[in-house]
Amino acid sequence: EDQVTQSPEALRLQEGESSSLNCSYTVSGLRGLFWYRQDPGKGPEFLFTLYSAGEEKEKERLKATLTKKESFLHITAPKPEDSATYLCAVLFSGNTPLVFGKGTRLSVIA
Amino acid sequence: KAGVTQTPRYLIKTRGQQVTLSCSPISGHRSVSWYQQTPGQGLQFLFEYFSETQRNKGNFPGRFSGRQFSNSRSEMNVSTLELGDSALYLCASSTRPRQGATDTQYFGPGTRLTVL
Repeated sequence: EDQVTQSPEALRLQEGESSSLNCSYTVSGLRGLFWYRQDPGKGPEFLFTLYSAGEEKEKERLKATLTKKESFLHITAPKPEDSATYLCAVLFSGNTPLVFGKGTRLSVIA
Repeated sequence: KAGVTQTPRYLIKTRGQQVTLSCSPISGHRSVSWYQQTPGQGLQFLFEYFSETQRNKGNFPGRFSGRQFSNSRSEMNVSTLELGDSALYLCASSTRPRQGATDTQYFGPGTRLTVL
C-alpha cells in the first residue's frame, strides 16, 4: 500500500531559527507531490507541486525540494505567522487518489 | 476567482440522524473530491466526482455517499450517523481532466460535523 510519512510530528522553533520538514513516501511511482499549509479550523492552502527528483520550488521563506524517496520543506528565518500544520500529499501512479501524510505542526515563537 | 465554498460550516447532529453537506467548486473545475479529516487519521479520501460520475471511492462504508450536479456542485450524505463520524469534512476541486492527472486540488474551508 502506498504510504506517506511526515516527520517530525511537531516542531517548535524560535523566530529566525531555520529548519526543515520531511515527507517520505513508498517508492512505487510518484506522479506528483504536493505541499499544503493548514491553519486551525480551515481547509488546506496549496503551496507547491513537485513532479520529479531534483526539482525545487520557492515562495517567500519556504523552499520545497524533491528526491526519489522524499521531499523537504525548508523554512528560512521563520516568523510567528508561519505557525501552522504543513501537509504533504502524494499522487502515485495508477488511478489512485491523493495520499496525505499526517502533517507536521509547526510553532514559531517570537 | 472565487474559491471553493462549503455549506454549512458547522453542524451538530445526534446518532442515527443523517446529514447532507454541500460543496461549490472553483468556476471551471469539474472534479470534486471529498475528504474526512480527524486528529487520529489525518485526511482520508472519501470519493471523487467528475462530470456527475463517481470516478474513485475510498474505504468508507456505504453510509457515506455523494453526488454531483450538472453545474459541478457536489453534495455528500452520511446516513445513520455514528459518534466516530465527527470530523472536518473537506471538499477539494480541480480541473483534473482524467484519473491520475496531476492537477492541483484546491480545498474549501470545510464543514465541522459533531455527532452527539
